[in-house]
Amino acid sequence: DAKTTQPPSMDCAEGRAANLPCNHSTISGNEYVYWYRQIHSQGPQYIIHGLKNNETNEMASLIITEDRKSSTLILPHATLRDTAVYYCIALYHNAGNMLTFGGGTRLMVKP
Amino acid sequence: EAQVTQNPRYLITVTGKKLTVTCSQNMNHEYMSWYRQDPGLGLRQIYYSMNVEVTDKGDVPEGYKVSRKEKRNFPLILESPSPNQTSLYFCASTQGTRNEQFFGPGTRLTVL
Repeated sequence: DAKTTQPPSMDCAEGRAANLPCNHSTISGNEYVYWYRQIHSQGPQYIIHGLKNNETNEMASLIITEDRKSSTLILPHATLRDTAVYYCIALYHNAGNMLTFGGGTRLMVKP
Repeated sequence: EAQVTQNPRYLITVTGKKLTVTCSQNMNHEYMSWYRQDPGLGLRQIYYSMNVEVTDKGDVPEGYKVSRKEKRNFPLILESPSPNQTSLYFCASTQGTRNEQFFGPGTRLTVL
């Protein structure tokens, strides 16, 4: 699986969009970008994934650059409950991969 | 409500006293797995199961056993717990081989 790099921490004002970047310069053509988050010591929660097109669901949007070397997870209107550690990982689709989280980005949403 | 449940949520025990952490899912998922999470080491897979009676080792299986007699349940067994198994444990499940895994709430285990 390709290595991903994320900033260790970010702040965001409540109600504003939170934009979380992820670098994955060695990602292969068949690897998808997955995002999970973990709210303090709770079970990780799947957010969204994509290959090369931008994706949106009820939780977030995922923007992947054309060269696929980086992506951005967007929480359009961050709330205090979005305070969590966000993990970006590259995985082959439906391959039964075990999940291995690196350091992630600790997002602090402030009032 | 679709969910993965774990019990107990918190457990303090002593070295050598056998224990079982239960995991159950109500989504009819084939794939289930156990992870442990430790500060600085991230999430590491202990065991996984692709279906009933099919289990395999993950990255850190030593000191653990699992069984998959029913599709919904995947208990984690520590036959002789040691202090280095003090950790936060998560059970997860998913449909087939999908990477969108559903996690349980976690079990915080302390072995004295």
